[in-house]
Amino acid sequence: SAVISQKPSRDICQRGTSLTIQCQVDSQVTMMFWYRQQPGQSLTLIATANQGSEATYESGFVIDKFPISRPNLTFSTLTVSNMSPEDSSIYLCSAGTSGPNEQFFGPGTRLTVL
Amino acid sequence: GENVEQHPSTLSVQEGDSAVIKCTYSDSASNYFPWYKQELGKRPQLIIDIRSNVGEKKDQRIAVTLNKTAKHFSLHITETQPEDSAVYFCAANDRGSTLGRLYFGRGTQLTVWP
Repeated sequence: SAVISQKPSRDICQRGTSLTIQCQVDSQVTMMFWYRQQPGQSLTLIATANQGSEATYESGFVIDKFPISRPNLTFSTLTVSNMSPEDSSIYLCSAGTSGPNEQFFGPGTRLTVL
Repeated sequence: GENVEQHPSTLSVQEGDSAVIKCTYSDSASNYFPWYKQELGKRPQLIIDIRSNVGEKKDQRIAVTLNKTAKHFSLHITETQPEDSAVYFCAANDRGSTLGRLYFGRGTQLTVWP
């Protein structure tokens, strides 16, 4: 399985600012995804990070609020823009291959917006 | 798109007893069904998965069964131990998409009492 790391592991941010979360995989993967997990809730897919093209966003999530980059097959970033307290959550990246559909998760970034 | 329902939302068992978590899915084209275990403050970990070409898969104390006709699959944990206490998520893949996305259930909080 792929080893996935995320930075930062946690952050406390002020309302109106932006935070960029990095996700690094130790091997080339086809698929990378970004999820949000509210306390005690399930995993909500924000978008699929596509290498070399624009991310594919799920309903309710837009590029202006959550811009995503994926410059190569091992790295992706998610930016949470113009943050409000409602953005406080855990953000997780996952990675896998398109064929078997196996996905492995990073350790998550715990974001608190004051 | 796919809809995954998971029951129960909470489950308490005595150490040594068995635990069963059930999920249903809506898209008959789905062919990959993973289970994730998430301990408090940790990332979701893939613990077992099953593909639609088999009806059952076992790995030591855990097993997953799949009924394609009824469109449901279950996680079985035998001889439960306190360290099995966690939130368990089921998921099903989206065959209609080439993106490899997964749809997750709402999760089951399993508590094993010593």
